Amino acid sequence: NAGVMQNPRHLVRRRGQEARLRCSPMKGHSHVYWYRQLPEEGLKFMVYLQKENIIDESGMPKERFSAEFPKEGPSILRIQQVVRGDSAAYFCASSLTSGRATDTQYFGPGTRLTVL
Amino acid sequence: KNEVEQSPQNLTAQEGEFITINCSYSVGISALHWLQQHPGGGIVSLFMLSSGKKKHGRLIATINIQEKHSSLHITASHPRDSAVYICAAGGSNYKLTFGKGTLLTVNP
Repeated sequence: NAGVMQNPRHLVRRRGQEARLRCSPMKGHSHVYWYRQLPEEGLKFMVYLQKENIIDESGMPKERFSAEFPKEGPSILRIQQVVRGDSAAYFCASSLTSGRATDTQYFGPGTRLTVL
Repeated sequence: KNEVEQSPQNLTAQEGEFITINCSYSVGISALHWLQQHPGGGIVSLFMLSSGKKKHGRLIATINIQEKHSSLHITASHPRDSAVYICAAGGSNYKLTFGKGTLLTVNP
């Protein structure tokens, strides 16, 4: 009965490198959400995806960030040319039913990205 | 100003004390979520409220829609309750607005 899985748990990158964060939703869940938690800040919505579709990316920075949720495999959050300000914890969550405020979202353990 | 405000930011209690964490929101919502984040970062969903009150073990969550306010109570607190407690407001869709969290430390 695996929950939401994220890897890696910790990721260190130098400025200018690429970061790839992976999220495997709970079995049977086809709705995935990515959140970013900056130090001393609350979680902030980044993007909502369903299989093969980006539904809402209104919380994503316009440049360098992209997300996908392919038909097979995990959801990927990709950050190109990382900068120190990208250092944060990135959480993904999944839900069983179509994205509503009343849905329970199940969170992964997060990936802590450190940019040197 | 954040649309979801929590108080207090930090709370220290002795084992056995009754704990209350407050959450006020300024937007219309259809659901209010309480989450728990342990040291090491994992986040667990505790409650989803649309109205009234819910209870699970020693945890009780209440919401007053008219006053746009929710509280999370912990009875007979224990050191293992030490964590960050986060409230999140959900409007008409999936997009949640999160408070900054309340860091609870329960000392033995």
